[in-house]
Amino acid sequence: DAGVIQSPRHEVTEMGQEVTLRCKPISGHNSLFWYRQTMMRGLELLIYFNNNVPIDDSGMPEDRFSAKMPNASFSTLKIQPSEPRDSAVYFCASSLAGLGGHEQYFGPGTRLTVT
Amino acid sequence: AQSVTQPDIHITVSEGASLELRCNYSYGATPYLFWYVQSPGQGLQLLLKYFSGDTLVQGIKGFEAEFKRSQSSFNLRKPSVHWSDAAEYFCAVARYGGSQGNLIFGKGTKLSVKP
Repeated sequence: DAGVIQSPRHEVTEMGQEVTLRCKPISGHNSLFWYRQTMMRGLELLIYFNNNVPIDDSGMPEDRFSAKMPNASFSTLKIQPSEPRDSAVYFCASSLAGLGGHEQYFGPGTRLTVT
Repeated sequence: AQSVTQPDIHITVSEGASLELRCNYSYGATPYLFWYVQSPGQGLQLLLKYFSGDTLVQGIKGFEAEFKRSQSSFNLRKPSVHWSDAAEYFCAVARYGGSQGNLIFGKGTKLSVKP
């Protein structure tokens, strides 16, 4: 299996622009997670989906952030408009939730820089 | 509320020395516990996990961890550290017993290895 795939790996954009991050989870996994990692705040869970349905989005910082999972093999995290404080590494992870299978598999991350 | 505490932010050990990274959790029932490692510029990789049974679990790269219910701890150990072990290590517990696959991560411990 190719693992969790994220694109792009690096994104540099100007403040005010829209940014879309993409994630392809491991085939057969039923849960998908978006995290943000910064030096100051560490690893933060933004939102997670179970069977394509958003379960908890309480970690989404504000309305500028939105996430979708139109099908089991694709998810997007969108920031509109972007701000310099959104600069971070964004990770997508997937898992097969349920008894006996909880480990999350992480993608390589997208390093976002907003200037 | 569930939580994970990693008391050590940064640890430095000499190559060949033994290592123990501390992790304490807060959860009323039997927890599902994990250790992840993050090398610079990479995503998180699962080292080992504990679900039930033997309280001493073996993982990849020569790591092991011991679950101690009485101390609410799940410390990570390695008898002889290699320079390639320099990375950040995260302890995690499955939220709500893992029914939805959501994990709670500690803040991480950065490991430096002296030659």
